[in-house]
Amino acid sequence: DTAVSQTPKYLVTQMGNDKSIKCEQNLGHDTMYWYKQDSKKFLKIMFSYNNKELIINETVPNRFSPKSPDKAHLNLHINSLELGDSAVYFCASSLRGASTDTQYFGPGTRLTVL
Amino acid sequence: ELKVEQNPLFLSMQEGKNYTIYCNYSTTSDRLYWYRQDPGKSLESLFVLLSNGAVKQEGRLMASLDTKARLSTLHITAAVHDLSATYFCAVDVGADGLTFGKGTHLIIQP
Repeated sequence: DTAVSQTPKYLVTQMGNDKSIKCEQNLGHDTMYWYKQDSKKFLKIMFSYNNKELIINETVPNRFSPKSPDKAHLNLHINSLELGDSAVYFCASSLRGASTDTQYFGPGTRLTVL
Repeated sequence: ELKVEQNPLFLSMQEGKNYTIYCNYSTTSDRLYWYRQDPGKSLESLFVLLSNGAVKQEGRLMASLDTKARLSTLHITAAVHDLSATYFCAVDVGADGLTFGKGTHLIIQP
């Protein structure tokens, strides 16, 4: 009965490869997010998405693209991976407009680019 | 650009002591969140503060929000070892997602 799940938990890959991380939420939320946490534990928003609009942090390279097959899923696709992409990626979801609008985070995917 | 500053970034304290973590932010917001993160784990929501003067308490943790001063505090009372973790404050300014502080790495020693 996991609220926000991500797969895989760990991802090790070579530079230049293309990879995807999957995220699913079963909370009935309408908005999903991707965050990047670097080696210093700094957390930064990458994307915010609901079925109406995608908001992209302008600092995110266009090698990163979110793909949402439906409201419960927001996958992250990364092209031409670089060493600097190594980080932990967290998916989150919320119900915008709700009284608390808390974001619930997935367990994270640790990406290592060699 | 919204800036969220936490201090201290690192805190080592003894069990039984009290301490406060501060979170300042640079733009108007009525929504402030506190999260806890254990090593290698995800973020756990602790508090959601939605209005000026909001105060919430859970166990030994108490959070408050002063929107006029753009300041939130997380107060720890009579710390215990289990509270050792990294604590993040985060500000919500709309559909852009949360802007996080750099986190306060808290170590509580017996």
